[in-house]
Amino acid sequence: QVQLVESGGGLVRPGRSLRLSCAASGFTVSAYYMTWIRQAPGKGLDWVSYISSTDGSTYYSDSVRGRFTISRDNAKNSLYLQMDSLRVEDTAVYYCARVSGNDVLDYWGQGTLVTVSS
Amino acid sequence: SVLTQPPSVSGAPGQRVAISCTGSRSNVGAGFDVHWYQQLPGAAPKLLIYSYTNRPSGVPDRFSGSRSGASASLAITGLRPEDEADYYCESYDSSLRGFVFGSGTKVTVL
Repeated sequence: QVQLVESGGGLVRPGRSLRLSCAASGFTVSAYYMTWIRQAPGKGLDWVSYISSTDGSTYYSDSVRGRFTISRDNAKNSLYLQMDSLRVEDTAVYYCARVSGNDVLDYWGQGTLVTVSS
Repeated sequence: SVLTQPPSVSGAPGQRVAISCTGSRSNVGAGFDVHWYQQLPGAAPKLLIYSYTNRPSGVPDRFSGSRSGASASLAITGLRPEDEADYYCESYDSSLRGFVFGSGTKVTVL
C-alpha cells in the first residue's frame, strides 16, 4: 500500500538550514508529481513546492522561492526539501504528498515539525 | 487564502451541513478541479472528495460534493460526532503555478 514517511524536522535557529526527507513505498516517486505542504501551528494548509514527474521541473511559492529546494532520489524512492535561510515564520508541520490526476493530493505523510526559533 | 470557505459550520447529530468553496478565474474558473480534504484533530489531512464529486474508496457516502460554476460544495448528511474536523478545499492556480487551499472550515457536532 502507498505510504509516505517524513523525517528531518526539529528545532533550528533563524538563518540556519534543515533538510527534510520523505520516504515513499508502494509506488515509484519518479512516476508522480510530488509536493510539500506546510501547516503553521493553528493555521491552515499552505503549499510550498512541487516537482514534476516528466522533466523534474520545480515550482515554489513566493514565500520560499530562492531559499528552499525540492528534489528527489529515484534510487532511494524519496523526496527531499532543502530549507536554507530559515525564518521564524517557516515554523510549521511539513507534509509531503503525492499528486495524482487532476492535481489531487491523494496520499499524505504524517508530517514532520520544523520549529525555527532563537 | 485564494479559495474562500466559511470558517465554521455546526449541526446536531443526524443533521446535514454544507461547506462552500469559491475560487477565481485563475483556478476554479480556469477549469481546474476542486478537491476536499478532512483533517481530524492531531492528524494529517486525508483526501475526502476528488474532482468535485468523487469519493475515494473507504469514504462513507454521507460525504458528497457538488459543483456550481466557479464554486464547489461539500455536504455531510447524517452528521456524526466523529465528523468533527477541519475541512479544506484545494485546487490548482495557473497564475501562482501551484496548489491553493481554502482557509479551512471547522465542523462542530453539537
